[in-house]
Amino acid sequence: EVQLVESGGGLVKPGGSLRLSCAASEFTFSTYSMSWVRQAPGKGLEWVSSITSSSSYIYYADSVKGRFTISRDNAKNSLYLQMNSLRAEDTAVYYCARKGFLDLLTYWYFDLWGRGTQVTVSS
Amino acid sequence: EIVLTQSPGTLSLSPGERATLSCRASQSVTSSLAWYQQKPGQAPRLLIYDASNRATGIPVRFSGYGSGTDFTLTISSLEPEDFAVYYCQQRSNWPPLTFGGGTKVEIK
Repeated sequence: EVQLVESGGGLVKPGGSLRLSCAASEFTFSTYSMSWVRQAPGKGLEWVSSITSSSSYIYYADSVKGRFTISRDNAKNSLYLQMNSLRAEDTAVYYCARKGFLDLLTYWYFDLWGRGTQVTVSS
Repeated sequence: EIVLTQSPGTLSLSPGERATLSCRASQSVTSSLAWYQQKPGQAPRLLIYDASNRATGIPVRFSGYGSGTDFTLTISSLEPEDFAVYYCQQRSNWPPLTFGGGTKVEIK
């Protein structure tokens, strides 16, 4: 089954660190750009970061720039998000999402999502 | 940053009724706008991309229209499974990729 499975979430104190992972299966991970999108409790969706297929280009939301690092390992079909200096406002479900491949073209929409992993930043 | 404003915040309708959701961009995004559906406890699902194209497997009762700054998502006849939150997202001018605040379609 084509899927993304996130892991690594949990409870962390303010100022702490966490590393999220996303395992991809049943598609050619190395050819897709990937992203992280988060959703705070009861709130809407917020784009966090994106990385192109060969890691040539990386983008961050201003809210996480300098604190979060996105990376990938195509040999392991995995995407990562290293989160440092965590704040209460980083509390959210973090989704791994694939750049859309639609009608033989790619678009910066998200056509495949994982189920998410909960990150809670609290003392 | 392009801000997307969705309206209304909540839409109360009955099964079989027509739903019309709006998304307005703070500046033109040409046709580079998508719609997603999210049900409680689930990840979002892509419905419409580039304003009017249905994603794979999306029923024909979902349609999108618009360009520039004003977009609509229409559900022609609501099915019980369509009651959910809907988000728009633009890819025209980024980073950042931005989402609207969402419209909840609830059962009246």
